Amino acid sequence: EVQLVESGGGLVQPGGSLRLSCEASGFTFSSYEMNWVRQAPGKGLEWVSYISYSGSLIYYADSVKGRFTISRDNAKNSVHLHMNSLRAEDTAVYYCAREELEVFDYWGQGTLVTVSS
Amino acid sequence: DIQMTQSPSSLSASVGDRVTITCRASQSISSYLNWYQQKPGKPPKVLIYATSSLQSGVPSRFSGSGSGTDFTLTISSLQPEDFATYYCQQSYSTLRTFGQGTKLEIK
Repeated sequence: EVQLVESGGGLVQPGGSLRLSCEASGFTFSSYEMNWVRQAPGKGLEWVSYISYSGSLIYYADSVKGRFTISRDNAKNSVHLHMNSLRAEDTAVYYCAREELEVFDYWGQGTLVTVSS
Repeated sequence: DIQMTQSPSSLSASVGDRVTITCRASQSISSYLNWYQQKPGKPPKVLIYATSSLQSGVPSRFSGSGSGTDFTLTISSLQPEDFATYYCQQSYSTLRTFGQGTKLEIK
């Protein structure tokens, strides 16, 4: 069974940093592209970042470029999102999502990040 | 970035109704259009991929059509479990973008 489990969310002050993790199981992790998608409270979905199978290709939404860094560890079946210079507008549930053939076919349950003083 | 615009933003309908949700892209995305369903407190779930292909396990009352810039999701006969929020997403660009969502509510 495919499982994606996010962790690392919490309360952080504006300007602070946080590192999210997503642990994958039930599939050959190194064969899949991975994404982070976020959802602010009561709002819609916003794609955040993409990483290719080996990590050689990485893309970011303009809203997080220069502040967030995506990475993956295929030996540990995990993908990470390092978030710096956090702002109130980064407050959201962050989901990791597996991508196959341009479709986000499996999602984790999400981890809540709250940026507030 | 490619902007995705859904209409309507919300919709009230009854069990058994036929419902259509529209998604428009700011530029041509060929057939690279996916639809997701999200229920409160849950992650999204893919319904339709590549405009019209039904994801495994999704009921056949869901269908998709379109190409280029204009796409539709149709639910042929609404069931109680279909009341949720629906999102389109383009996968033509490496910068994936979602529509703003359509909330389908019970009339």
